Amino acid sequence: EDQVTQSPEALRLQEGESSSLNCSYTVSGLRGLFWYRQDPGKGPEFLFTLYSAGEEKEKERLKATLTKKESFLHITAPKPEDSATYLCAVRFREYGNKLVFGAGTILRVKS
Amino acid sequence: DTGVSQDPRHKITKRGQNVTFRCDPISEHNRLYWYRQTLGQGPEFLTYFQNEAQLEKSRLLSDRFSAERPKGSFSTLEIQRTEQGDSAMYLCASSPQPNEQFFGPGTRLTVL
Repeated sequence: EDQVTQSPEALRLQEGESSSLNCSYTVSGLRGLFWYRQDPGKGPEFLFTLYSAGEEKEKERLKATLTKKESFLHITAPKPEDSATYLCAVRFREYGNKLVFGAGTILRVKS
Repeated sequence: DTGVSQDPRHKITKRGQNVTFRCDPISEHNRLYWYRQTLGQGPEFLTYFQNEAQLEKSRLLSDRFSAERPKGSFSTLEIQRTEQGDSAMYLCASSPQPNEQFFGPGTRLTVL
């Protein structure tokens, strides 16, 4: 069973059309939930860390929120340069220092 | 550039050959991680170092894989007797504490 699940797998938006990406996890003992952006052929770029339910972080057009078993990445008025794969990763207490990643959401924003 | 660097960026090899990748972490980071990423998937954890000590290894890391961090600075990942299934992006990350991990650009391995 996947421990970290992201949905949708792919999302196409028009420029300015706001939407949300979802990340859910099944294992207990959360030690941190992380959002990354990955452009084709490059390494993941760190965006946010969330530690507890109710926490929110913002950066430009992105806002990340956390509930007990899921996180949302809200994208407000996206631009074509926001097109990328967005990865969610979780650090669980029983798994030590490693991050467990979801498969990602591929976002395409058309002008 | 003070980010994580990896070398080479691309490697093409024939099945059965050995390959070695290098990672230079952010200088003040004592934690270093290796991950592997295949197309359409998120990165999968391979191994973790704190300073020069290798503290965690995934069961994905078969006996053909070995990683070192001899002086607690740069790290190398060696794959012996490469197989076509080893084709992937190999990512290195570093962190100053056991949370935010900062990734390098990756080494793309193609095994023919």
